[in-house]
Amino acid sequence: GAVVSQHPSWVICKSGTSVKIECRSLDFQATTMFWYRQFPKQSLMLMATSNEGSKATYEQGVEKDKFLINHASLTLSTLTVTSAHPEDSSFYICSARKTPPSTDTQYFGPGTRLTVL
Amino acid sequence: DAKTTQPNSMESNEEEPVHLPCNHSTISGTDYIHWYRQLPSQGPEYVIHGLTSNVNNRMASLAIAEDRKSSTLILHRATLRDAAVYYCILEDNFNKFYFGSGTKLNVKP
Repeated sequence: GAVVSQHPSWVICKSGTSVKIECRSLDFQATTMFWYRQFPKQSLMLMATSNEGSKATYEQGVEKDKFLINHASLTLSTLTVTSAHPEDSSFYICSARKTPPSTDTQYFGPGTRLTVL
Repeated sequence: DAKTTQPNSMESNEEEPVHLPCNHSTISGTDYIHWYRQLPSQGPEYVIHGLTSNVNNRMASLAIAEDRKSSTLILHRATLRDAAVYYCILEDNFNKFYFGSGTKLNVKP
């Protein structure tokens, strides 16, 4: 159990367009999901915490108007990269915690490779 | 914000045990210690986690120092499939993970 999926697995878009990435918990409910970004040969960087039914909280330095997060249900969170530019090209990874929060851990999705031309 | 330090890389022979160290001297009493591993272009894979006591599962063992300022992930018999970047992470009060740079494990046949 505890499977997290992401869609799409990769996407190429033109500069200035917006891209939506979905994160789903397939076999459990998740009140809290997290979004990370990973550049080549670097570690994962936490971008934001997504809470079902409330606004996301963003880490320092992450533009909330550029990276829109919606957590509309207990199994789905979406990240929209608005007006994407080449510097937004990265590997975006989500994770989810089971509900209710417990001593459990985070379960990660397979990631989405975004390339902005 | 990374609160853990790990060696950049380690090497092991296949079918031998591997001990991956992690220092977390600023750990607080309620911080859980999590270990994940990641292959290129994949999401992190859960390995093990614990709070104070040593933990065992089918993948690995986690040995936590008595003062909790360090921990060691133990792979009992390394295989080629265990080659990956291993991350030691502290979970804060808001359930957030701040990844450090991890240890790249190379397993030699």
